[in-house]
Amino acid sequence: QQQVKQSPQSLIVQKGGISIINCAYENTAFDYFPWYQQFPGKGPALLIAIRPDVSEKKEGRFTISFNKSAKQFSLHIMDSQPGDSATYFCAASPRGDNQGGKLIFGQGTELSVKP
Amino acid sequence: DGGITQSPKYLFRKEGQNVTLSCEQNLNHDAMYWYRQDPGQGLRLIYYSQIVNDFQKGDIAEGYSVSREKKESFPLTVTSAQKNPTAFYLCASSIFGLAENEQFFGPGTRLTVL
Repeated sequence: QQQVKQSPQSLIVQKGGISIINCAYENTAFDYFPWYQQFPGKGPALLIAIRPDVSEKKEGRFTISFNKSAKQFSLHIMDSQPGDSATYFCAASPRGDNQGGKLIFGQGTELSVKP
Repeated sequence: DGGITQSPKYLFRKEGQNVTLSCEQNLNHDAMYWYRQDPGQGLRLIYYSQIVNDFQKGDIAEGYSVSREKKESFPLTVTSAQKNPTAFYLCASSIFGLAENEQFFGPGTRLTVL
């Protein structure tokens, strides 16, 4: 129940295309869903996040779509660029002050954007 | 510059040895975290701390120990009891340890057991 399942494991997209990464969860106690971006040899950095009371959040070329009933959420990268090539992680955090803000991460998606 | 530092960047250990990974932050954050990253498995939580002198086990705490004697420091010891310690270790911090608080990550330490 603590798992977050992410797919695909790897993704190749042409420059200018749309990259789509999907995540699914089981635990209804999750109430914060961030996406992190990681470049090789670096620590992850927060990209965008959503709460379950909204169905979509957009920041520039990055959009999270959230389907609470299906317990699924996805990251869409519009007009993908070679600089977007990185590993992307979805995550979920359970509600409650005693949970310490801990994150449960998906397995990661290695995105490669071809010029 | 504010941020999180981890040292060393690369660490080699012989089997049977304990080793300590350093994590320091100057962001004045209350909460700190240790994650382990393995290919194809994402990041898994080892330990976390919401306040000085208090810490909680994460999902894979066996074979690891931590201390939180100072707000800015959260060292991780990989003990000889950890059966498969070779991995990339990431430290993170957040302001209050709440779900919506962004976690800031350090650059990581790559540990290799020889």
